[in-house]
Amino acid sequence: NAGVTQTPKFQVLKTGQSMTLQCAQDMNHEYMSWYRQDPGMGLRLIHYSVGAGITDQGEVPNGYNVSRSTTEDFPLRLLSAAPSQTSVYFCASSSGTGVGYGYTFGSGTRLTVV
Amino acid sequence: GEDVEQSLFLSVREGDSSVINCTYTDSSSTYLYWYKQEPGAGLQLLTYIFSNMDMKQDQRLTVLLNKKDKHLSLRIADTQTGDSAIYFCAEREPNNNDMRFGAGTRLTVKP
Repeated sequence: NAGVTQTPKFQVLKTGQSMTLQCAQDMNHEYMSWYRQDPGMGLRLIHYSVGAGITDQGEVPNGYNVSRSTTEDFPLRLLSAAPSQTSVYFCASSSGTGVGYGYTFGSGTRLTVV
Repeated sequence: GEDVEQSLFLSVREGDSSVINCTYTDSSSTYLYWYKQEPGAGLQLLTYIFSNMDMKQDQRLTVLLNKKDKHLSLRIADTQTGDSAIYFCAEREPNNNDMRFGAGTRLTVKP
């Protein structure tokens, strides 16, 4: 059971380039989300999905797109990378909304935009 | 912005107790969580509590909840160097997927 798998672990992009951060989970979780983590700011929600075919914006969606064609995969696309998008990105999933249903996190993608 | 607030740093000596504090904003019923993030890794769920509880204990971890002040704390007994990490407090409303995180408290354990 791999849990939540994120690839790549590290990436350097030039300003203006586009790329896709991959996230896959094998737990049949309906809920998936993307966060970015910046020093002193905790985790900020970028986009989330409550099931295949359904996505919605979080707190900081600008510059990012998502899609959810399958339950397992939830890729995050950077359309035109900017230095302000330098961050660590985490994908998370959850199977329910009861109190015991915390999030399962991937190990993160560290992105640097130069 | 964050509705959940934590101090950013805590340093303790090995063997002492650590107390990490958090204030949250939500209402009468909420779910509260503590996550641990080790260097280079994702967040790992440590424990959780529902807002109708005052305390929850799990081995070396004790969670205390003061509902009146909306204050949550995580006590780690006999802190070890392996406990050095960033600890995140988070809250979520029942039947809602949206989890709000604090900025995280970096715990440093000195030998």
